[in-house]
Amino acid sequence: GAGVSQSPSNKVTEKGKDVELRCDPISGHTALYWYRQSLGQGLEFLIYFQGNSAPDKSGLPSDRFSAERTGGSVSTLTIQRTQQEDSAVYLCASSLSYGLGLYGYTFGSGTRLTVV
Amino acid sequence: AQTVTQSQPEMSVQEAETVTLSCTYDTSENNYYLFWYKQPPSRQMILVIRQEAYKQQNATENRFSVNFQKAAKSFSLKISDSQLGDTAMYFCAFMKIGGGSNYKLTFGKGTLLTVNP
Repeated sequence: GAGVSQSPSNKVTEKGKDVELRCDPISGHTALYWYRQSLGQGLEFLIYFQGNSAPDKSGLPSDRFSAERTGGSVSTLTIQRTQQEDSAVYLCASSLSYGLGLYGYTFGSGTRLTVV
Repeated sequence: AQTVTQSQPEMSVQEAETVTLSCTYDTSENNYYLFWYKQPPSRQMILVIRQEAYKQQNATENRFSVNFQKAAKSFSLKISDSQLGDTAMYFCAFMKIGGGSNYKLTFGKGTLLTVNP
């Protein structure tokens, strides 16, 4: 696609429910990142995928968070047993390869998750 | 680990005037890039300008320029001839490059800039 597409744009869920957030990167982009933007905070790195390499999961805040990337393209971020502190905007970004991220990523418009 | 600090949570400027946003960072790395990203209400982060740490010359992009002071670990953004469309949240960000890097970004908490007519 022309840009990084994220869905849904907004999600309201009840505490304790599981949610899935989707990111469709630019076609051909092998590097994909997830960031979390909590209210009043900067963006916090969550996870990084590069091609077929093992992902860097060092930013995931707890074992309730997981992510996968199928076929080197679409990525899904799953949050299990959501808590109110999970409320945030979840942003996805991609670049042609991990090294080319230094020329700037392309970001999606994010998913605003609200846990009530 | 790297940290990025933006000490101005909010700023405002009159249209056509100049404004400077501050950013400081802390790192022990020698090879890195610095960035300013803009986030309008659409939420999509847009790259404004980037600076290679090994370059002494300050980066410029049209009305946007930086003042990069490597020894002081300071990286401020100057916006000249401010326009209403510049109203947005601005984030300063650090990227380690080279061996062992996954080229992730470390962000500051942002500065909300409002351009007034």
